[in-house]
Amino acid sequence: SYVLSQPPSVSVAPGKTATITCGGNNVGSRSVHWYQQQPGQAPVLVIYYNNDRPSGIAERFSGSKSGNTATLTISRVAAGDEADYYCQLWDTSEDRVVFGGGTKLTVL
Amino acid sequence: QITLKESGPTLVKPTQTLTLTCTFSGFSLSTSGVGVGWIRRPPGKALEFLALIYWDDDKRYSPSLRSRLTITKDTSKNQAVLRMTNMGPVDTATYYCAHSPTSYGEFDFWGPGTMVAVSS
Repeated sequence: SYVLSQPPSVSVAPGKTATITCGGNNVGSRSVHWYQQQPGQAPVLVIYYNNDRPSGIAERFSGSKSGNTATLTISRVAAGDEADYYCQLWDTSEDRVVFGGGTKLTVL
Repeated sequence: QITLKESGPTLVKPTQTLTLTCTFSGFSLSTSGVGVGWIRRPPGKALEFLALIYWDDDKRYSPSLRSRLTITKDTSKNQAVLRMTNMGPVDTATYYCAHSPTSYGEFDFWGPGTMVAVSS
């Protein structure tokens, strides 16, 4: 079955830039979405269709793709960005939603 | 604005069937392209897709759980219902329902989630 791979954890100092990757077969040809989930809360969509931001999401959040890897970039990281981040796409081969394994972002 | 809320039992016994209801407002499940999905997160683990139902009653399921899941909708009540049979301890999780505006499977609005424990 389709697998989306994310690093389990990423650490970054306040004010710096965090990058979270998401790899899988044919990621380059699919629309990737990103969610932020803070402890005890429901996930929040922060990027959709690879690089679009929903209204209300800070411009500090951006998405990109290169080859079979999608990347979520968070610039000027603040303590409030500490959360779990998940990538997600539609697996056309099995016609279903797939989530990555999640990345815990720690702000040092 | 769009809101969703999950409801159902907080505790079920092993082998029992879990029935969860998602009650929503701000959209209709009869609007073209719209869907409602169910996703869960076991403690300490990642998000896991369970099922998705579309406006035209088209349905998608997690391949690994397909035999245990049934998703239905009641458009008149603005509800989507998930049924999961033969519950076991590994099904202990927070269960979320979420609104999907297109066929690309993104979820732009989520319910707060409901915690379900499986224990005898």
